[in-house]
Amino acid sequence: AQSVTQPDIHITVSEGASLELRCNYSYGATPYLFWYVQSPGQGLQLLLKYFSGDTLVQGIKGFEAEFKRSQSSFNLRKPSVHWSDAAEYFCAVDHSSGSARQLTFGSGTQLTVLP
Amino acid sequence: DAGVIQSPRHEVTEMGQEVTLRCKPISGHNSLFWYRQTMMRGLELLIYFNNNVPIDDSGMPEDRFSAKMPNASFSTLKIQPSEPRDSAVYFCASSSGLATYNEQFFGPGTRLTVL
Repeated sequence: AQSVTQPDIHITVSEGASLELRCNYSYGATPYLFWYVQSPGQGLQLLLKYFSGDTLVQGIKGFEAEFKRSQSSFNLRKPSVHWSDAAEYFCAVDHSSGSARQLTFGSGTQLTVLP
Repeated sequence: DAGVIQSPRHEVTEMGQEVTLRCKPISGHNSLFWYRQTMMRGLELLIYFNNNVPIDDSGMPEDRFSAKMPNASFSTLKIQPSEPRDSAVYFCASSSGLATYNEQFFGPGTRLTVL
């Protein structure tokens, strides 16, 4: 069965520090991978996505992610975190087939940014 | 662009009562998704529609849950009768198609509390 694992429930970093959020997936075929961010009281916003091609994907708000097939990982990174990045981050894998759409989310990583 | 609109934003009801959640997708989008988010189970896809037709409702937890999309600009998720374990945040999302590359845009969610 398809699954997404985010091993870190909560991460705390200082403003200006670098960030890496981990995501591992289990999926037999070539995965379509996503990172979403959820601010308090808000819906999810797409940060970036990987379908194929270059394994380093650039997203909005200065985020990037690298797809590593050998490690079944799709980690999210940002070189310098801003206080406004404090939110919950979700990794997701799309394992749709034909018209059957299925997006499986990880359990999320809560990011706290210290001043 | 108003984005996906959900109402109400918060709902508190008593066990046994009927609850109706509403969603207005982004104009021009022909696919609509209902998700539920809980601490225990994370984000789960309940049902999705394409061109107002339900495509897959296998995520709907019980017969107490029903969803309709009478037209392209409106959808409802109904719980009757409601139970305390239905307490969750319910998200609606819309996209311009069911293909994987069609980004899903999420609404702000409805926080449901069943006492």
